[in-house]
Amino acid sequence: LAKTTQPISMDSYEGQEVNITCSHNNIATNDYITWYQQFPSQGPRFIIQGYKTKVTNEVASLFIPADRKSSTLSLPRVSLSDTAVYYCLVGAGGYNDYKLSFGAGTTVTVRA
Amino acid sequence: SAVISQKPSRDICQRGTSLTIQCQVDSQVTMMFWYRQQPGQSLTLIATANQGSEATYESGFVIDKFPISRPNLTFSTLTVSNMSPEDSSIYLCSVDSSGTRDTQYFGPGTRLTVL
Repeated sequence: LAKTTQPISMDSYEGQEVNITCSHNNIATNDYITWYQQFPSQGPRFIIQGYKTKVTNEVASLFIPADRKSSTLSLPRVSLSDTAVYYCLVGAGGYNDYKLSFGAGTTVTVRA
Repeated sequence: SAVISQKPSRDICQRGTSLTIQCQVDSQVTMMFWYRQQPGQSLTLIATANQGSEATYESGFVIDKFPISRPNLTFSTLTVSNMSPEDSSIYLCSVDSSGTRDTQYFGPGTRLTVL
């Protein structure tokens, strides 16, 4: 499994855009990049997944450069309810390997 | 998406006792997983549970301490045996999102405190 590195914490204010960059220098050709969000006292929740370039859904955008050695999760116009821990995961690739390896995650705190 | 429930949501137990945590899914799933999340820490995979076969444990976790049952495609239990204060954690179950790589749905977790 590719090792990931992301900032331990980030602070922001309501209405701002939050960008969390994750480094994964050893990403394999078949690996996808997946982000999860975890609120206090809840299990992690899938946010977004991508392989290359840019992916956008109703919650976030994921930017992946051509070399795929890093990725950036972008949360537009955050609110207080976006305060959570965000985990970047890089999979082993293939539908037969379901193991998820969670790193330390990034604690995002949104202030009023 | 799958809806997952866990029982109990929290418990306080005495050392030396055992607690069985239940995980129920609203649809049939092939693989179920059990994680541990110690206070302020990330998630650590304990084991993978497939229906009809013995669970596969990760390094550092053994069946005697964390026996797992998987009697059907919608249910699993994790028992924390002979508990000590070091077992105080949140225990989460998850299921794979069939057909989508590296995506799992998680239950709300069981917060265990061992005195």
